[in-house]
Amino acid sequence: DTAVSQTPKYLVTQMGNDKSIKCEQNLGHDTMYWYKQDSKKFLKIMFSYNNKELIINETVPNRFSPKSPDKAHLNLHINSLELGDSAVYFCASSSWGSGNTIYFGEGSWLTVV
Amino acid sequence: GQQLNQSPQSMFIQEGEDVSMNCTSSSIFNTWLWYKQEPGEGPVLLIALYKAGELTSNGRLTAQFGITRKDSFLNISASIPSDVGIYFCAGQGSNTGNQFYFGTGTSLTVIP
Repeated sequence: DTAVSQTPKYLVTQMGNDKSIKCEQNLGHDTMYWYKQDSKKFLKIMFSYNNKELIINETVPNRFSPKSPDKAHLNLHINSLELGDSAVYFCASSSWGSGNTIYFGEGSWLTVV
Repeated sequence: GQQLNQSPQSMFIQEGEDVSMNCTSSSIFNTWLWYKQEPGEGPVLLIALYKAGELTSNGRLTAQFGITRKDSFLNISASIPSDVGIYFCAGQGSNTGNQFYFGTGTSLTVIP
């Protein structure tokens, strides 16, 4: 069974469109994240949710809106897509607190044309 | 967000050689993690370290939690072609809000 699963894996869309990426984890974790990996392969945190509550929002444009309906899901909705949004988006999860590990999904490759 | 300094940025080595990479931080961490990312995939956890000075192995991989708690090291012995990928370190600390911060990555190429 896939521990952290995200869909879709590949997404090609036009500028100005709105799109969503879904994420689910079956590890029983209480904290979920969205990371963005750019062309230089840097992993940058975008959002962190603990028990459905937003913990971190790292200066992400408000066109990006995460939604956590429950502890096992964290979806990412992006409005008015721009060319610079093209990247790989990774969902991840962990248990809250020190001494834990973070597990990643397989990534969603977003290309804005 | 904080980005950890990871070096080297890239490595090209012959099959059979040993590999060393390290990661440094300006913050003290309670946890150090090492990941490998292959093309088209997400980062996969290799080794987790929870105690200063800890040395942990996973097959041909060995990682150490630095005594200062501000650095960590990963060694790969007798490299093989399937070791190719990008290796990331990650640190987590209570004085950094328990958030995970990632290194800039080391791209490893193994030449058969």
